[in-house]
Amino acid sequence: DQQVKQNSPSLSVQEGRISILNCDYTNSMFDYFLWYKKYPAEGPTFLISISSIKDKNEDGRFTVFLNKSAKHLSLHIVPSQPGDSAVYFCAARKGGNQGGKLIFGQGTELSVKP
Amino acid sequence: DAGVTQSPTHLIKTRGQQVTLRCSPKSGHDTVSWYQQALGQGPQFIFQYYEEEERQRGNFPDRFSGHQFPNYSSELNVNALLLGDSALYLCASSSFGTGRATNEKLFFGSGTQLSVL
Repeated sequence: DQQVKQNSPSLSVQEGRISILNCDYTNSMFDYFLWYKKYPAEGPTFLISISSIKDKNEDGRFTVFLNKSAKHLSLHIVPSQPGDSAVYFCAARKGGNQGGKLIFGQGTELSVKP
Repeated sequence: DAGVTQSPTHLIKTRGQQVTLRCSPKSGHDTVSWYQQALGQGPQFIFQYYEEEERQRGNFPDRFSGHQFPNYSSELNVNALLLGDSALYLCASSSFGTGRATNEKLFFGSGTQLSVL
């Protein structure tokens, strides 16, 4: 049962344009969502997060949007840079489970072309 | 400030063997979680250790076991290896704070790539 889904395995974007990565979830008990970025031969690194009490969180070029009614979140990267090319994972945590188990999506490989 | 370190980086085993993977958490962190990432998939939670005890466990068989030492480092043991155990094994650390996790942002190591032949 895939509770967190990233339906696009890959995305290609031109440098300077916007990248939009999508994530859907099925469990309404999730209360915290995170995005991680992974380069080859490295572990995932934290990018940005959002609590379920918010619908938007920004950090520089990265913005995460949360639509609870649709059980959907998205990561916007503006402007995209070649160094952003990596695999992006969304992850979710159930309420009352602080610091505990994260449930990850399958990942989306972003390629930003110069 | 050393991040999360894992050893070894690569490992080749045959079916039926046993393997031990090691992890040292980021300085200041006291909680270690282990994840398995199969090819083309996202990381899947195996278990989490805090205060030398297993606190949470994912949907993995008893062949997967772990340990946490007083210095917060951790080991993952897998017995009776199967071909399907071939994956990248990731260790992540965090700080549990004063009995309530204060850091949601797990810090991951680079992983151990396990191949079972």
